[in-house]
Amino acid sequence: KAGVTQTPRYLIKTRGQQVTLSCSPISGHRSVSWYQQTPGQGLQFLFEYFSETQRNKGNFPGRFSGRQFSNSRSEMNVSTLELGDSALYLCASSWEGRPNTGELFFGEGSRLTVL
Amino acid sequence: AQKVTQAQTEISVVEKEDVTLDCVYETRDTTYYLFWYKQPPSGELVFLIRRNSFDEQNEISGRYSWNFQKSTSSFNFTITASQVVDSAVYFCALSEYSSASKIIFGSGTRLSIRP
Repeated sequence: KAGVTQTPRYLIKTRGQQVTLSCSPISGHRSVSWYQQTPGQGLQFLFEYFSETQRNKGNFPGRFSGRQFSNSRSEMNVSTLELGDSALYLCASSWEGRPNTGELFFGEGSRLTVL
Repeated sequence: AQKVTQAQTEISVVEKEDVTLDCVYETRDTTYYLFWYKQPPSGELVFLIRRNSFDEQNEISGRYSWNFQKSTSSFNFTITASQVVDSAVYFCALSEYSSASKIIFGSGTRLSIRP
């Protein structure tokens, strides 16, 4: 069974640009969550999508947005990039059937560097 | 507000020693989930355990064990007979019962096992 796939793995952008990150969940998983990991702030929840609808949202500015497609694949977008957006962006998927261990399956992340 | 505190930033032990990672949490919710995740150098987070707040039974899985004490708001993790492969960053985390994918992570404990 393929794991969570995130693309691209590494990217470099400059301030003011925008970026789109992609996440393909494990087959059959309908929930996709996004997290930002930085040395200073640690792991922070961005948002969660389920069946193409945003179900939960963290405390990030509106420059951070996401969406989910009918095949459960998800994208997140960051507009008007700032230096502080440099981070590892982790995507996680989960299965909501029964039995449910509550496990989130994480991808290896997309490492964004903003210059 | 929810908060998870991992006071131990780094721990280094010699292989085969037992090691306990501390976790203290704060929440106003009466029902919630607690988690432990492991992050090896590759970057992806690996699920170790989820406990719900009304199940205070300790759990053992091989060399891993978890001690949940609601009275002290602690959820500690012990590795018995540590191995070099246990070297990683370990995160304790908390979520609301109704939003299990919206996880609040602690700052992590970097565990180094020396041969």
